[in-house]
Amino acid sequence: DIQMTQSPSTLSASVGDRVTVTCRASHSISTWLAWYQQKPGKAPKLLIYKASSLESGVPSRFSGSGSGTEFTLTISSLQPDDFATYFCQQYTTYSLLTFGGGTKVEIK
Amino acid sequence: QVQLVQSGAEVKKPGASVKVSCKASGYTFTNYGISWVRQAPGQGLEYMGWIRLYNGYTDYAQTLQGRVTITADTSTSTAYMELRSLTSDDTAVYYCARAEPLRPLDYWGQGTLVTVSS
Repeated sequence: DIQMTQSPSTLSASVGDRVTVTCRASHSISTWLAWYQQKPGKAPKLLIYKASSLESGVPSRFSGSGSGTEFTLTISSLQPDDFATYFCQQYTTYSLLTFGGGTKVEIK
Repeated sequence: QVQLVQSGAEVKKPGASVKVSCKASGYTFTNYGISWVRQAPGQGLEYMGWIRLYNGYTDYAQTLQGRVTITADTSTSTAYMELRSLTSDDTAVYYCARAEPLRPLDYWGQGTLVTVSS
């Protein structure tokens, strides 16, 4: 099984801050990595796929990078709508998709 | 537009079974698969399994093998997830999502809360 480890688990930031979330895979997953945003009571929303490709309609302040086992999600200038929980997910195989534990971005 | 609409909340007793539906619209149902993901209160996302709709192939997370069955009715574009022998640990919101090999889960249902309580 491929384990996904996210850090930090909680992040306190202010509007306008640059925010970075890290995701580490236990084995190489090439660039088969997605990032999702989830707000309370809502389903996850796809932000980034193939490690760095922006999903249609997602603001350009979101970006992703990395390959192999180390990945990052960056929000260049945090907006009020961005306070949420973010999850990474590897999708190398449909036998076992796995998610990171999540990073909650809170208001500082 | 692509939509996945799930059935309503359920309350079940320990030992019972639950069956959640997920009706798709806005795309060709059999060109994709459907994955199921659950989220316990305040916790992260747990992948449960998926069904490839053009041939009915299924695969399940090992932790749920033997308790979960994913099926589909292609005539109504509806997928189903049945979970048996429920315990309080199965209390969660259950999501369906459109799936495709080597693609992320791009569209999700609204979620179905299943509460297991005596």
